[in-house]
Amino acid sequence: QVQLVQSGSELKKPGASVKVSCKASGYTFTSYAMNWVRQAPGQGLEWMGWINTNTGNPTYAQGFTGRFVFSLDTSVSTAYLQISSLKAEDTAVYYCAREVEYCSSTSCHYHLFDYWGQGTLVTVSS
Amino acid sequence: EIVMTQSPATLSVSPGERATLSCRASQSVSSNLAWYQQKPGQAPRLLIYGASTRATGIPARFSGSGSGTEFTLTISSLQSEDFAVYYCQQYNNWPSLTFGGGTKVEIK
Repeated sequence: QVQLVQSGSELKKPGASVKVSCKASGYTFTSYAMNWVRQAPGQGLEWMGWINTNTGNPTYAQGFTGRFVFSLDTSVSTAYLQISSLKAEDTAVYYCAREVEYCSSTSCHYHLFDYWGQGTLVTVSS
Repeated sequence: EIVMTQSPATLSVSPGERATLSCRASQSVSSNLAWYQQKPGQAPRLLIYGASTRATGIPARFSGSGSGTEFTLTISSLQSEDFAVYYCQQYNNWPSLTFGGGTKVEIK
């Protein structure tokens, strides 16, 4: 069965870096793009961007350029999110999500998320 | 960026009753609209895509409608496991995806 298992919670000081992992199993890792979604405490979902698991090419949403880096290790079917120069406002749960497309006889729908990791809480506090 | 606005923020409903949730887009997203359910401490789950197509394994009591800028998620008869937060998401404006702020469905 498809699973995305993320690394555990992190407590970091402002200015530090963190790397969150997302290990995929149960499917061919390079057949599906991987997305990242942030959820601040008590807040909604915010799409951070995606990484092409074939080419390793990342695309970042507005507001997630510069300090955020998506990467892969396809040999272990794992995607990574690295955040540098952490700020208190980076405190959030970070999810990885597998991107899927669904097609019928008349139309296709892309950029949907059918499997999600369990989330990784990153807390930034001095 | 397309802004997705959900209403109401909180909906109080008794078990067995119907719940109607709204989602409005700041510009047309055609039918490129999905709904997700999120329970406390869990990741979101895909319910509906294409504004009205249920994802695999989603019960028939969940239905979606709308196109353009106005969308509705209806839960025909609320079960205990349906009390959760629901998010709409547009995927029309790739490579920009945006979620609504969410509607919390709570027990009345």
